[in-house]
Amino acid sequence: EAGVTQFPSHSVIEKGQTVTLRCDPISGHDNLYWYRRVMGKEIKFLLHFVKESKQDESGMPNNRFLAERTGGTYSTLKVQPAELEDSGVYFCASSQGRREEQYFGPGTRLTVT
Amino acid sequence: ELKVEQNPLFLSMQEGKNYTIYCNYSTTSDRLYWYRQDPGKSLESLFVLLSNGAVKQEGRLMASLDTKARLSTLHITAAVHDLSATYFCAVDLVQGAQKLVFGQGTRLTINP
Repeated sequence: EAGVTQFPSHSVIEKGQTVTLRCDPISGHDNLYWYRRVMGKEIKFLLHFVKESKQDESGMPNNRFLAERTGGTYSTLKVQPAELEDSGVYFCASSQGRREEQYFGPGTRLTVT
Repeated sequence: ELKVEQNPLFLSMQEGKNYTIYCNYSTTSDRLYWYRQDPGKSLESLFVLLSNGAVKQEGRLMASLDTKARLSTLHITAAVHDLSATYFCAVDLVQGAQKLVFGQGTRLTINP
């Protein structure tokens, strides 16, 4: 069974540009989560989808971040326009049910210069 | 607000030694996770601890949970180089949002 996959693995963009990160959860997992780890700090929750609906987006830092999960399958996280402080590793995770174990993808390392 | 603190944040040890990583959390939770991350790789689930007094062991790693003290420990026995990685604990809330709150991570380096 394929795990959670993320694309790209690395992205280097200039301040002010747009970047879109993609996450493919484990097949059949209704719950999809985005997390972020800024350099040297803890991994922080961004948002949670149940199927195509946003269940909790309390961790989204500001309105430059837009997450979607059309059709309840893969998800995208767009940052527009990117700022220097957006640099970090963005993790996606999925779980089958509520409060069940979350399985993480390898992350996308975003560098904004 | 739930806060999770790990210590130490950095740990360098010799092969064959024992050590413990601590994870304290600030509010009630009945579910604690330990993850391992190798550089550039995803977070690999090590243990899920679901109740007070839970103890789980896998190889040289043993995790325990004391919900009354709001403390979990990850004990490493007779460390080997392959255990070098960053270890995270994470807690989810009993009620409310479905999200994990992570500790800062402990970067473990085991020297031959």
